[in-house]
Amino acid sequence: NAGVTQTPKFRILKIGQSMTLQCTQDMNHNYMYWYRQDPGMGLKLIYYSVGAGITDKGEVPNGYNVSRSTTEDFPLRLELAAPSQTSVYFCASTGGKRIDTDTQYFGPGTRLTVL
Amino acid sequence: QQPVQSPQAVILREGEDAVINCSSSKALYSVHWYRQKHGEAPVFLMILLKGGEQKGHEKISASFNEKKQQSSLYLTASQLSYSGTYFCGTESGSARQLTFGSGTQLTVLP
Repeated sequence: NAGVTQTPKFRILKIGQSMTLQCTQDMNHNYMYWYRQDPGMGLKLIYYSVGAGITDKGEVPNGYNVSRSTTEDFPLRLELAAPSQTSVYFCASTGGKRIDTDTQYFGPGTRLTVL
Repeated sequence: QQPVQSPQAVILREGEDAVINCSSSKALYSVHWYRQKHGEAPVFLMILLKGGEQKGHEKISASFNEKKQQSSLYLTASQLSYSGTYFCGTESGSARQLTFGSGTQLTVLP
């Protein structure tokens, strides 16, 4: 199992450009999440999904969009990049059925800089 | 609402002990502890369920006080490899969502 994979690892965008951050998991997990982590800070939830075709906003959704057409993939779209979106983005997933063992497993992250 | 972690930072010598606390104003289903090394993704350490249980993992253990909605992470006889930022993630809502604290930076010196 590769677990949770993210591409790209690094990206520099100019203000106003758009891009899609890719996230794929091969664990057949229903629940998937997108977080951003600013320097020296904790993780803030952007969007999450409880299954294919179902997505919902987290704490900081403005400026982002998501889709979930398959169980495996959960891409995050930035439409008009702004310097405030400079951050490290983590995708995570969990099976969610076993409350005593199921936790969130994180991908390696995408480091995004908007200039 | 974000859980509150304390202390924000701690510096130890190898072999010393540390305690990291995580408090929430919400009623919690569970608390998840992670460690993150610089430039890497958070790595899962352990999960505590409501019910006041205590769990152990090598020399790292944790407890969950349901009455206080507080969890504590105990690191005993710390090793250099314990250095990193520790986060608690609290679960109180739906969709197995976690709300993360701002982290505790732990530095272990030789």
